Amino acid sequence: AQSVSQHNHHVILSEAASLELGCNYSYGGTVNLFWYVQYPGQHLQLLLKYFSGDPLVKGIKGFEAEFIKSKFSFNLRKPSVQWSDTAEYFCAVTSAGGQNFVFGPGTRLSVLP
Amino acid sequence: GAVVSQHPSRVICKSGTSVKIECRSLDFQATTMFWYRQFPKQSLMLMATSNEGSKATYEQGVEKDKFLINHASLTLSTLTVTSAHPEDSSFYICSARDSAYNEQFFGPGTRLTVL
Repeated sequence: AQSVSQHNHHVILSEAASLELGCNYSYGGTVNLFWYVQYPGQHLQLLLKYFSGDPLVKGIKGFEAEFIKSKFSFNLRKPSVQWSDTAEYFCAVTSAGGQNFVFGPGTRLSVLP
Repeated sequence: GAVVSQHPSRVICKSGTSVKIECRSLDFQATTMFWYRQFPKQSLMLMATSNEGSKATYEQGVEKDKFLINHASLTLSTLTVTSAHPEDSSFYICSARDSAYNEQFFGPGTRLTVL
């Protein structure tokens, strides 16, 4: 069965700091990988996704993620965070062609102004 | 991206009553919709997969007689929490799969509080 782990439960940064949120998955086959963001009181929004091709994926709002197959990782990065990035971030995986998302436990990011 | 709506956004009900939550794909047809449950400060847990015109597929541990799912059209799926109890209080989120883009779009969620 697939599973997703996220390294940090709560990350606190100051504005302009660099961000990296860890995500590891367990699945033996080909996967599709996603990062979603949930701002306070709002619904899940897709930040970026990886299906195939270039393992460095660029998403919205300056976020990017790198798929490292050998490490089963899909870490999310942003070079300079803003206060408005305060939110909950979820990593998710599906098997290639599959539909069922498996979500990680989430990482809460708090950016201090 | 595509839009998925949920209604109501928030509902408070008495213990023992039933509550229906609607999930609609507004600008695309979704043969498959998904229902998730999110407890406070926790991740989303898939409850069931709703297939248009057929029975839903429930995840292990989810009572199908308690959480009734109906996917009567390509744009609407409903989740009915029957005989609700306080432990059913949670945030329920649906998603709809747009097969044209091989992507799921999530609704805004429904917060259910059972008194």
